Amino acid sequence: GDSVTQTEGLVTLTKGLPVMLNCTYQTTYSPFLFWYVQHLNEAPKLLLKSSTDNKRTEHQGFYATLHKSSSSFHLQKSSVQLSDSALYFCALSDHDSNNRIFFGDGTQLVVKP
Amino acid sequence: EAAVTQSPRNKVAVTGGKVTLSCNQTNNHNNMYWYRQDTGHGLRLIHYSYGAGSTEKGDIPDGYKASRPSQENFSLILELATPSQTSVYFCASGSGTEDTQYFGPGTRLLVL
Repeated sequence: GDSVTQTEGLVTLTKGLPVMLNCTYQTTYSPFLFWYVQHLNEAPKLLLKSSTDNKRTEHQGFYATLHKSSSSFHLQKSSVQLSDSALYFCALSDHDSNNRIFFGDGTQLVVKP
Repeated sequence: EAAVTQSPRNKVAVTGGKVTLSCNQTNNHNNMYWYRQDTGHGLRLIHYSYGAGSTEKGDIPDGYKASRPSQENFSLILELATPSQTSVYFCASGSGTEDTQYFGPGTRLLVL
């Protein structure tokens, strides 16, 4: 069945440094990949999404490229800010998933001054 | 922007009591979802719906029922609440596989 793996539970960085949050997925169908961000005591909201192989998608300084060959959709930013501290979820759907999304366990990003 | 609201925002219930969590969306989305989120954990799908009158089991349906009486409303019902159901519950709506899910603000439930 479909699944999403986020290998890091917690990432701690100093402001201004680059970050990459890992996401790999498993599906036998053509995938749609999402990154959701959840700030403390708020609801998750979409950060970016893609279904196009090898095309970079960007939003609010974050970017990700779907690589179907390696089943990956890593989230990156070149210079993190204090306001980027949040919980980040990678998620997957496909046309066989009955309109549901499969979420990874999330990666907590903590940015220090 | 899509709008999803939930009520109540906070709830304290007693063990064995009945709890109903309500969700309303004004996006005219066909699909609605109920998730729970526990500290240190991700989002786990409880029930979802394709439209009025339909409900489907998610990954952790035991102890929960769902009701979709209309396009706009989707309820989560705990007939006999237990302390293990203490959590934050999120409702979401969406229009399809490749489309964004829009989340409500969440309901904090404490079962004593």
